[in-house]
Order: sequence, then structure tokens, then C-alpha cells
Amino acid sequence: DAKTTQPNSMESNEEEPVHLPCNHSTISGTDYIHWYRQLPSQGPEYVIHGLTSNVNNRMASLAIAEDRKSSTLILHRATLRDAAVYYCILMRGTSYGKLTFGQGTILTVHP
Amino acid sequence: DAGVIQSPRHEVTEMGQEVTLRCKPISGHDYLFWYRQTMMRGLELLIYFNNNVPIDDSGMPEDRFSAKMPNASFSTLKIQPSEPRDSAVYFCASSLRQTGELFFGEGSRLTVL
Repeated sequence: DAKTTQPNSMESNEEEPVHLPCNHSTISGTDYIHWYRQLPSQGPEYVIHGLTSNVNNRMASLAIAEDRKSSTLILHRATLRDAAVYYCILMRGTSYGKLTFGQGTILTVHP
Repeated sequence: DAGVIQSPRHEVTEMGQEVTLRCKPISGHDYLFWYRQTMMRGLELLIYFNNNVPIDDSGMPEDRFSAKMPNASFSTLKIQPSEPRDSAVYFCASSLRQTGELFFGEGSRLTVL
């Protein structure tokens, strides 16, 4: 399975935008890019996913590089509630649901 | 909808005892997943079902672990006999293939003494 690389941790201030990077240089053509986050003492929570085009939803935006070797999760205005571990995961289209979680990025949001 | 419901939320047991974890997926979802999370290994997929049928159990650690899904609204993960290294948080998740979004429960924290 293709792997992802994320920074171990990032910090942000409340109400500022946050850009969380993810590298996936060995991504294949059928791999979807998924983002989940896990708040303290909770189960993972779906954030967003995409294949080739940039995606927006109520929680975040996903910017995918043209060569698909990297992507960026964008939180437009961070809140204290956004402090969590963010996971960038590749899911092969033929292996639906088999999410392989890495270590993720610990996001700290300062008031 | 109440979301994915797991029980018990916390379980403390002694080595050798049988442990049964339960999951009620979101109504209408056709996929169900069991994950385990530990500090050392992170989140690992144990097994998943599609329309109540086990599709991939390659993540199940050993024969002491078994999972069933007798109907669309209920699944169990059983550990018999339990060992201290089974201590972890076990998450159940469900999804609809069309949406690509997995919904996780709040987890069952298992401690085996």
C-alpha cells in the first residue's frame, strides 16, 4: 500500500487558517486521499476525501497537487475544537474501507 | 440517528477471561469495520463486513479473536481467552460505500489485568 508522510505536529492560533500537508509520492491512480481527525478520547471523524480535483465541504478544503504526490488539508478558521490528530490516508478504490492510519499530525490551536 | 453505538464503553477483566464487545451500526449502512488502537501500534483494521458477510479478516491478530455480524444492526468482537496485550481501545465503524465516509463509534476501552 502507498504510504503517506505528515509532520508530527503543527501549531496554529485560533481564527487563523491552518494548512496541514501530506506527501504521498507513491500514490497510484486508483488511490483516494482521505482525511480523518481524532479528538481526544473520541473515535476518528471523517473530514474530507478526494481523488484528483480539489474538494470543499463544511469542515475543510482539500487541495490536491496536479501530480497527486501531495495534498493539503485547509481549515479556513481554526477553532479550539479543531485541536486533534489529523490523519492523511490513501484508500485504494478496489479496497473500499481499508483505511491504514499512520501517526498523523497533532494540531495544537492556541487561544 | 444516534450514530454508531458501542458497548461496553469500559471493560476491565482478568487474563484468561472471555471478552465480548458489541456494536450497533448506523441504520442503512452496508459496511461495518472493527479497528483497534494502542499507543504502540496506532489504529489497526481488524476485520470488516459487507452486507453482514466478512470480507477481510487479515488484521485479526490470532485465533483468540473472532467477529460476527448476525444481522445488519448488530456485530460482536470476541476475545477468548483474553491476554494483557489485548488491552486497547476497540472502535467499530460503519459506512455506505457510495459516500466513502466512515462513521466511528466512541470506542470500547479494554483493560486485561
